[in-house]
Amino acid sequence: DAKTTQPTSMDCAEGRAANLPCNHSTISGNEYVYWYRQIHSQGPQYIIHGLKNNETNEMASLIITEDRKSSTLILPHATLRDTAVYYCIGTGTASKLTFGTGTRLQVTL
Amino acid sequence: NAGVTQTPKFQVLKTGQSMTLQCAQDMNHNSMYWYRQDPGMGLRLIYYSASEGTTDKGEVPNGYNVSRLNKREFSLRLESAAPSQTSVYFCASRLSLGENTEAFFGQGTRLTVV
Repeated sequence: DAKTTQPTSMDCAEGRAANLPCNHSTISGNEYVYWYRQIHSQGPQYIIHGLKNNETNEMASLIITEDRKSSTLILPHATLRDTAVYYCIGTGTASKLTFGTGTRLQVTL
Repeated sequence: NAGVTQTPKFQVLKTGQSMTLQCAQDMNHNSMYWYRQDPGMGLRLIYYSASEGTTDKGEVPNGYNVSRLNKREFSLRLESAAPSQTSVYFCASRLSLGENTEAFFGQGTRLTVV
């Protein structure tokens, strides 16, 4: 299973772009990278996922490096409601969705 | 469309008591998961079910049993609760174990064992 490494915490000013990095150097060729977030103690919420190409949806953009060893989640205009813990995960063997400790993003005024 | 529903939302047990956490999904998903989350920690996989009729252990299965009752329901049982099992439990479902599908999570069951 891919082991992911994320910074423990990050700050971002409201209205600015939040760029959350993730290293996944052991990811296998057919393994997707997923991003989820958890607001307070609610159930994790799916944000976006990708394999090789960059992806964009209504919530965020995902930039994956060409060697697939790292990726960046971009929230283009962060708001206070984006304050949460963000998890980058590889689907791994049997797609078990193994979570790490994530990045705590604090959006401030 | 309710998504993933967990019951109960809160529970307090005495050490040694047993209980079953219920999870149901209405999205016709094949795969279901049980996680636990301790304070300040990420989610850890307890058990998962790739499809109806199959279950497999995750990272932390000791002290738990599961039943995939049918395609909709996946229950988690604590036979003899211990204080170390105080945690928030999340159930999730996914269309399949395939790589290109996202998981949907319930809102959690907050369990305290005293």
